[in-house]
Amino acid sequence: GAVVSQHPSWVICKSGTSVKIECRSLDFQATTMFWYRQFPKQSLMLMATSNEGSKATYEQGVEKDKFLINHASLTLSTLTVTSAHPEDSSFYICSASRSTGPQYFGPGTRLTVT
Amino acid sequence: DAKTTQPPSMDCAEGRAANLPCNHSTISGNEYVYWYRQIHSQGPQYIIHGLKNNETNEMASLIITEDRKSSTLILPHATLRDTAVYYCIVNNAGGTSYGKLTFGQGTILTVHP
Repeated sequence: GAVVSQHPSWVICKSGTSVKIECRSLDFQATTMFWYRQFPKQSLMLMATSNEGSKATYEQGVEKDKFLINHASLTLSTLTVTSAHPEDSSFYICSASRSTGPQYFGPGTRLTVT
Repeated sequence: DAKTTQPPSMDCAEGRAANLPCNHSTISGNEYVYWYRQIHSQGPQYIIHGLKNNETNEMASLIITEDRKSSTLILPHATLRDTAVYYCIVNNAGGTSYGKLTFGQGTILTVHP
């Protein structure tokens, strides 16, 4: 199989605080990991692409200083939402991929900023 | 990446085959067709992908036309648990991990008893 986990599955935080979301590939080494965001009743939007050991590539319009991505190993990537505000409330989903083949997605993290 | 067009919604009776169409008339030679589905409040689930030959796995079959301008995902015996949003995505990475997936609005498949 190809299993990707995320932690936490949901989080509530106060405005101005930072939140870290972990993404792990449990049974394979992921050359590349991706972070997506999904607002209610909308489709997934790619935020950034990260390769192990190198800086993430952000999509246009995504603030790299606000959404910090670290891909420290072939099985772990983290997304930190810094100084979160209510408009950052969303469903954050990661995916992971081997050197070839499809992306496998995590179950998602529901972030609510109050 | 080539754009895809899917019907916004479809219905299917439980136990029957669900045939989900996708148009990708601008697909180029090295682009794969991927299918994912997303059940409410969960991450997308990979279903199947192909380049030009028909493909089958334990979940579904993928039929790609000879000119590659359209494809059909077939769930042979739909169950209530197959109710989800189905996304057809064309990816230009040639099957490598560096390809970005661009999600459209997909097809909402509702399987009813």
